[in-house]
Amino acid sequence: NAGVTQTPKFQVLKTGQSMTLQCAQDMNHEYMSWYRQDPGMGLRLIHYSVGAGITDQGEVPNGYNVSRSTTEDFPLRLLSAAPSQTSVYFCASSRQPPGLEQETQYFGPGTRLLVL
Amino acid sequence: KQEVTQIPAALSVPEGENLVLNCSFTDSAIYNLQWFRQDPGKGLTSLLLIQSSQREQTSGRLNASLDKSSGRSTLYIAASQPGDSATYLCAVTGGSYIPTFGRGTSLIVHP
Repeated sequence: NAGVTQTPKFQVLKTGQSMTLQCAQDMNHEYMSWYRQDPGMGLRLIHYSVGAGITDQGEVPNGYNVSRSTTEDFPLRLLSAAPSQTSVYFCASSRQPPGLEQETQYFGPGTRLLVL
Repeated sequence: KQEVTQIPAALSVPEGENLVLNCSFTDSAIYNLQWFRQDPGKGLTSLLLIQSSQREQTSGRLNASLDKSSGRSTLYIAASQPGDSATYLCAVTGGSYIPTFGRGTSLIVHP
């Protein structure tokens, strides 16, 4: 199993540009989520999905869109990039939402995004 | 709103020392607490998960304890090695099923 994969690894954008961060998992996990990690702060949840066709907002959803058309893929779209979106983005997956039973999340390697 | 604090923010020790990393949280109504390891430029790897009904979990040289009533968890690393150098993150999950992460403890173990 490849686990959770993310592309690209690095990206530089100009303010106002749009792009899609890709995330895929091959563990047949129903729950997938996107986090951002900023210096001096803990990871913060952007959006999550409990299954194909179902998504919801996390703590910091503004400026981001998601969709979940298949179990495997959960792309994150930046509609109009802003310097405040400069961050490291992590995708994670698990069989069930965090907090249920002995559920643990598996994280991808991250995408480093710089918005100029 | 849940807040998670990790102390110390950074730690540098010689190889072989036993270490204690601390995590505190403000809302004791949690389902579980999880410790992660993050290597530079990499994603997070789960180390230990403690359910709210449990007091501790062990994996090899790692032992994590949970005192839900006082809002505290500790991660004990026995006989530290240079390969343990990484950032250790604590995350608690409550009724919203949204984990709240601490800022992490950056650990360096010198040979």
